[in-house]
Amino acid sequence: TQLLEQSPQFLSIQEGENLTVYCNSSSVFSSLQWYRQEPGEGPVLLVTVVTGGEVKKLKRLTFQFGDARKDSSLHITAAQPGDTGLYLCAGVSRGGSNYKLTFGKGTLLTVNP
Amino acid sequence: KAGVTQTPRYLIKTRGQQVTLSCSPISGHRSVSWYQQTPGQGLQFLFEYFSETQRNKGNFPGRFSGRQFSNSRSEMNVSTLELGDSALYLCASSFGGSPTGELFFGEGSRLTVL
Repeated sequence: TQLLEQSPQFLSIQEGENLTVYCNSSSVFSSLQWYRQEPGEGPVLLVTVVTGGEVKKLKRLTFQFGDARKDSSLHITAAQPGDTGLYLCAGVSRGGSNYKLTFGKGTLLTVNP
Repeated sequence: KAGVTQTPRYLIKTRGQQVTLSCSPISGHRSVSWYQQTPGQGLQFLFEYFSETQRNKGNFPGRFSGRQFSNSRSEMNVSTLELGDSALYLCASSFGGSPTGELFFGEGSRLTVL
């Protein structure tokens, strides 16, 4: 069974601070996705990283895929209250013509004004 | 482009009852997946349907079932409800053939079992 461990589980910071969220596994994934879920809504895809060592930037968010495609990190610079939410990583593995997503349990981020 | 629509958004049932949840995917998407989300277990995969066929299945008991219609709309059913079935049930749609498997989620159906 493939598992994705996310850390920290909870994070409460002040507006303007920087933070990093980690997503680790012992399994290799063909790609990895990050989603953000706000209260009362479903998760929304932020980014997909495909290549080992890949770095993608989305405004103040920087996503990195590990060289071995087993782990990933999400760094937020100068966090804002609007960044508050549950951040989920999901590893994609292929099985023939199908694919399977394995989700981590998430990091609940609260950014206080 | 309309998003994924789930109905009902909220429902309360008692133990032993059954429930049916509905999901309308994004137009053109042929794959529909269902997930159960709880604070303790996170997002857990229930099953995936593609072109009316169940393509993948998670590790849930047979009380959880689903189906997909020819217009790609999907329903899931939970019979003989237990307290532990209280959760947010999320439906996600995708093209079904993407190698990176991006999912588009609905807002979920929150089920409370009393």
